[in-house]
Amino acid sequence: AQKVTQAQTEISVVEKEDVTLDCVYETRDTTYYLFWYKQPPSGELVFLIRRNSFDEQNEISGRYSWNFQKSTSSFNFTITASQVVDSAVYFCALTFTHSGYSTLTFGKGTMLLVSP
Amino acid sequence: GAVVSQHPSRVICKSGTSVKIECRSLDFQATTMFWYRQFPKKSLMLMATSNEGSKATYEQGVEKDKFLINHASLTLSTLTVTSAHPEDSSFYICSARDHQRKVYNEQFFGPGTRLTVL
Repeated sequence: AQKVTQAQTEISVVEKEDVTLDCVYETRDTTYYLFWYKQPPSGELVFLIRRNSFDEQNEISGRYSWNFQKSTSSFNFTITASQVVDSAVYFCALTFTHSGYSTLTFGKGTMLLVSP
Repeated sequence: GAVVSQHPSRVICKSGTSVKIECRSLDFQATTMFWYRQFPKKSLMLMATSNEGSKATYEQGVEKDKFLINHASLTLSTLTVTSAHPEDSSFYICSARDHQRKVYNEQFFGPGTRLTVL
């Protein structure tokens, strides 16, 4: 069965610290996509990154970086030099085929609190 | 591009009334739209998959007669919560897949609708 596990429920850091959010997934699909979304207090989901199962190259975007390791079924997200504006809930998600459609299953989310 | 809107953003209603939430893809055509529900401090749970011109596919445990979904056009899906009760209070989020870019399996999310039933 498809499953996304975000073991860290809540992380608190002080501004400028680096922080890594873990994501471990399970899937039977050979082709799949992984996503990270940010959900600030306003509630709107903000797309951060998409990665397909054939592309294990790590990616860096500004202070954000992602480490995709198929061997351990992990897709971890690191924020370097965290800022207060990074405070939000972060969701890792996985596509899966369900009833003929491709849809998303989400992890439970990790709440990140960055204090000044 | 790829903007999804939801209306209303917030609604408060009395128990027993029905509430309609609209989800629109503003700059693309969406043959498939999804409806999610999110309780406070919880994850998003898929309620149903909505396809233009056909019946929605509901997830196990979601009452079809309670949550009516209509996808009448390529840019609009509606979710109607019928005879709402306080336990239906939640954050409802829709998403849409761009018909032209479905190879990426990406869903574009609306800003959500916060429903409070008194």
